[in-house]
Amino acid sequence: DQQVKQNSPSLSVQEGRISILNCDYTNSMFDYFLWYKKYPAEGPTFLISISSIKDKNEDGRFTVFLNKSAKHLSLHIVPSQPGDSAVYFCAALPHQAGTALIFGKGTTLSVSS
Amino acid sequence: DTGVSQNPRHKITKRGQNVTFRCDPISEHNRLYWYRQTLGQGPEFLTYFQNEAQLEKSRLLSDRFSAERPKGSFSTLEIQRTEQGDSAMYLCASRREGYGYTFGSGTRLTVV
Repeated sequence: DQQVKQNSPSLSVQEGRISILNCDYTNSMFDYFLWYKKYPAEGPTFLISISSIKDKNEDGRFTVFLNKSAKHLSLHIVPSQPGDSAVYFCAALPHQAGTALIFGKGTTLSVSS
Repeated sequence: DTGVSQNPRHKITKRGQNVTFRCDPISEHNRLYWYRQTLGQGPEFLTYFQNEAQLEKSRLLSDRFSAERPKGSFSTLEIQRTEQGDSAMYLCASRREGYGYTFGSGTRLTVV
């Protein structure tokens, strides 16, 4: 069963607009969440993260929001650029030391100019 | 920091053959992870090393798979008697405690 769910396989947005990518999780033991971006034929690249003690983290055009009661997080990209077109993975980390990241299935973002 | 290096980038093999992949982590990273990614899925955890000790294996790691990390440096992942279902991208990541995961570019395996 999927502990990290990205229910939208794809998202299309126009350049300059906001992109919102969503992620839900089921395990209340997760205490750290990360977003990765992946281009074809490359490994995932870290984008932004958030600890469960926060509800928002911002880094330039990227903001991640966490709603612990709803077990939901979202990644906002403003303004979207064509170079943002990639697959975005949500990942979660349980608080046990050394445990591996658990990934969602990803959302393919296409930003058109 | 030269990043995480994986070799080969691509491997095509016949069903039933054995294959071995190599991962060179970032030198000061003591933790190393192997993941597998198939089409339409996110990376799925296979196994994890802290230094040379293999501390965790997922149920995806069947007995045809074996991983090693001699001397806590590079790691190898071997698949014996490959099957078509083994076709995937195999990703390696490394990190040190308290820091984020850095992924390599992966090895794409095609079993024909």
